[in-house]
Order: sequence, then structure tokens, then C-alpha cells
Amino acid sequence: DAKTTQPNSMESNEEEPVHLPCNHSTISGTDYIHWYRQLPSQGPEYVIHGLTSNVNNRMASLAIAEDRKSSTLILHRATLRDAAVYYCILRALNTGGFKTIFGAGTRLFVKA
Amino acid sequence: EAGVAQSPRYKIIEKRQSVAFWCNPISGHATLYWYQQILGQGPKLLIQFQNNGVVDDSQLPKDRFSAERLKGVDSTLKIQPAKLEDSAVYLCASSPRQGLYNEQFFGPGTRLTVL
Repeated sequence: DAKTTQPNSMESNEEEPVHLPCNHSTISGTDYIHWYRQLPSQGPEYVIHGLTSNVNNRMASLAIAEDRKSSTLILHRATLRDAAVYYCILRALNTGGFKTIFGAGTRLFVKA
Repeated sequence: EAGVAQSPRYKIIEKRQSVAFWCNPISGHATLYWYQQILGQGPKLLIQFQNNGVVDDSQLPKDRFSAERLKGVDSTLKIQPAKLEDSAVYLCASSPRQGLYNEQFFGPGTRLTVL
């Protein structure tokens, strides 16, 4: 199963952009890249997903490398409410069905 | 729109006891997932249902865990008997359908402590 690698933690100042990296060197051609975040004592929350092209939504942007072996979640202006664990996930289709594989995630600290 | 509901929110049991968790997905969502999240780790998928059929239960410890989704709506996850290492948050999620691009909506989880 394809896996993702993320830094354990990152720190950002409030109102500044944040770039959260993810490596997925064993990604397959049909695997989708998803990002979720988890605030304390809550279930994960969807942020964004993509396949090959960069994607933007109201929460964030997703930049996908040309070879798809890495991606970066971009929060344009971090706020204190963005402090959470961010998970980079691959969703893959294999013989066992649709696979959703979470890594350990990156804990984002936001300083006021 | 109501979100994914789970109960109970917290449960404390002793090892070798049994426990059951309940999940009510978002109305109309065909796909339902159960995850186990051990402290400090990302969620691990235990089982995925499409309507009332099992799509993937490859990581479900079937000697002690069972899950069902009768009528393709609510679902229950049971552990019998519980072990200390089962202490975790059990998350239920749902999505409108299967698909690699579909968003999953998570419930708040049930925190299980096994003593």
C-alpha cells in the first residue's frame, strides 16, 4: 500500500502563509491525494483533494509535484483556529477495494 | 444538515468485557467507515460498508471485532472481549458513495478506555 511521509510538527505565525509538505514516492497513477485536518477532541475534517493538477478551495490550496511524488498543502493566512493535526492521505483502488491510508500527520502550531 | 452521530462519546470497561459503539451516518450516504485511532497516531481503517455490504474489512481483527450495518443505515461496531490495546478513539465516517475523490464526513468519535 502506498504510504505518505510528513514532518511531525511545524510552527507558523498568525496571518502568515503555511506550507505543509507530504512525500508519497510510491503513489500509483490512479491514487488521489487528500488532506484532512483534526482539531483537538474532534473527528478529522476534509480540507482538499487532487489527482494531478493544483487545486484551490476556500480553505486551502494543494500543489502537486509534476511527478506526483510529493504535494504541499498551502494555508494562505494561518489563524489560531488552524492549529490542528494535518493528514496527507492517499486514496487508492486495489483488489481489496478502496483504500484510505492515514499517516501520522503534521501537528501545526500557530503563534499569535 | 445533521452530521455523523456517534454514541456513546466515552466508555470505560475492564479487559475481557464487551462493548458496542453506534453510528448514524449522514442521511443518504451509502458508504460508511469505522476507524480506530490510537493516541498519537493517524486513524486506521477497520471496515468499510457500501450500503449494507462489506467492501473492505482486511484490517478488522475478526477474532474479537465485529461490525454490521443492517438496512444500510445505522451501524454498530462490537469488541468482544476487549484487550488493553483496544484503548483508542473509534471514529465513524460516511460519504455519499464510493469513489477515490469523495469526501468523508467524520463523527466526533467514541473514546474507549480498557482497564
